[in-house]
Amino acid sequence: KNQVEQSPQSLIILEGKNCTLQCNYTVSPFSNLRWYKQDTGRGPVSLTIMTFSENTKSNGRYTATLDADTKQSSLHITASQLSDSASYICVGGANYGGSQGNLIFGKGTKLSVKP
Amino acid sequence: DSGVTQTPKHLITATGQRVTLRCSPRSGDLSVYWYQQSLDQGLQFLIHYYNGEERAKGNILERFSAQQFPDLHSELNLSSLELGDSALYFCASSEGGYNEQFFGPGTRLTVL
Repeated sequence: KNQVEQSPQSLIILEGKNCTLQCNYTVSPFSNLRWYKQDTGRGPVSLTIMTFSENTKSNGRYTATLDADTKQSSLHITASQLSDSASYICVGGANYGGSQGNLIFGKGTKLSVKP
Repeated sequence: DSGVTQTPKHLITATGQRVTLRCSPRSGDLSVYWYQQSLDQGLQFLIHYYNGEERAKGNILERFSAQQFPDLHSELNLSSLELGDSALYFCASSEGGYNEQFFGPGTRLTVL
């Protein structure tokens, strides 16, 4: 069964600190791994997309890593800001005949950045 | 602003009723996806349309249906509504293939 699990479920850090969010996925046939940021009540916003051949991808202060052998991914946030408070969602993409429609979403890690 | 629009923003209705949610994709995007997000749950993929044709189905109930029109806007129809259908419904669009999906602001459906 395709699934994506994230840890921790929630995290509180102080402004300016770094943090790392974890994701384990079971997605077959695996195509890509994505990270999204979702503010409460709003649509998710894409942070990174990695194919199975990519190990790391950065987007500003966000750096995602992918280990396709262990089926693990992480999202590292550097020098956190108050605006980073949100849910971060790991998403596994399955390859079905060219349709990326089969995206499997994790439940997210809720990050709170405190001043 | 993602460029994807959804209407209405909020919808309150009663059990057994039927509603239609509307989505307009970003200019030039041919793919439209629908997702459901229940309270404290992850997003669940419902259905994907590409240039008017259904491409993939996820966990979509038989009471739900969707279509994409020639102008590429899409509608999600929910019928015989139940309390458990209360959720945020998101639409996303992309150019197609494995490109980034851009999400709309969502429609919050409350079934009383």
